[in-house]
Amino acid sequence: SQTIHQWPATLVQPVGSPLSLECTVEGTSNPNLYWYRQAAGRGLQLLFYSVGIGQISSEVPQNLSASRPQDRQFILSSKKLLLSDSGFYLCAWSAPGAGGTQQFFGPGTRLTVL
Amino acid sequence: AQSVTQPDIHITVSEGASLELRCNYSYGATPYLFWYVQSPGQGLQLLLKYFSGDTLVQGIKGFEAEFKRSQSSFNLRKPSVHWSDAAEYFCAVGLNAGKSTFGDGTTLTVKP
Repeated sequence: SQTIHQWPATLVQPVGSPLSLECTVEGTSNPNLYWYRQAAGRGLQLLFYSVGIGQISSEVPQNLSASRPQDRQFILSSKKLLLSDSGFYLCAWSAPGAGGTQQFFGPGTRLTVL
Repeated sequence: AQSVTQPDIHITVSEGASLELRCNYSYGATPYLFWYVQSPGQGLQLLLKYFSGDTLVQGIKGFEAEFKRSQSSFNLRKPSVHWSDAAEYFCAVGLNAGKSTFGDGTTLTVKP
């Protein structure tokens, strides 16, 4: 069966420090991968999605970047964190190919920038 | 552009009462529709989905949803709510390349 992992679970970082959040998927090949941010009391904002290794699409301009160095690994990064980067970050995957498939979510990372 | 509206930010129901969470969407083609549930501090779990066919779909945990094309709605229902149903619920429209647009969510509180 497929599983998705995210780490760390929680993170407290000072403003201006770098960030690296990791997401890995097991039990599937060539998944579509997604990074979402969920601000307190808000819905999900799609940040990045990827349909293959090295293929990253950014949905909104921001202080963050994403990379996919391996088929089932998706990394969210920042060189210098801002206060506004605080939130709950969710990684998700879906089956490759055509649209309309459900997404499977990881447990999330709670990021607090002080 | 596609969009999903969940008109109710917060709903409170008594345990054992019925529940209906509203979802309206705007999408140019035949939509793929989903309801997800999120417990505090957790990821999202799929409750049910509509792709085609029967407009009344059954999901996990006793939930069901009805697709009404004429009203552009996909409301989630449960006949008798349990305290463990307290969570945040998200409606979503599936797009190309597996992407989805999510509503802002409805927080459900269950009174004993």
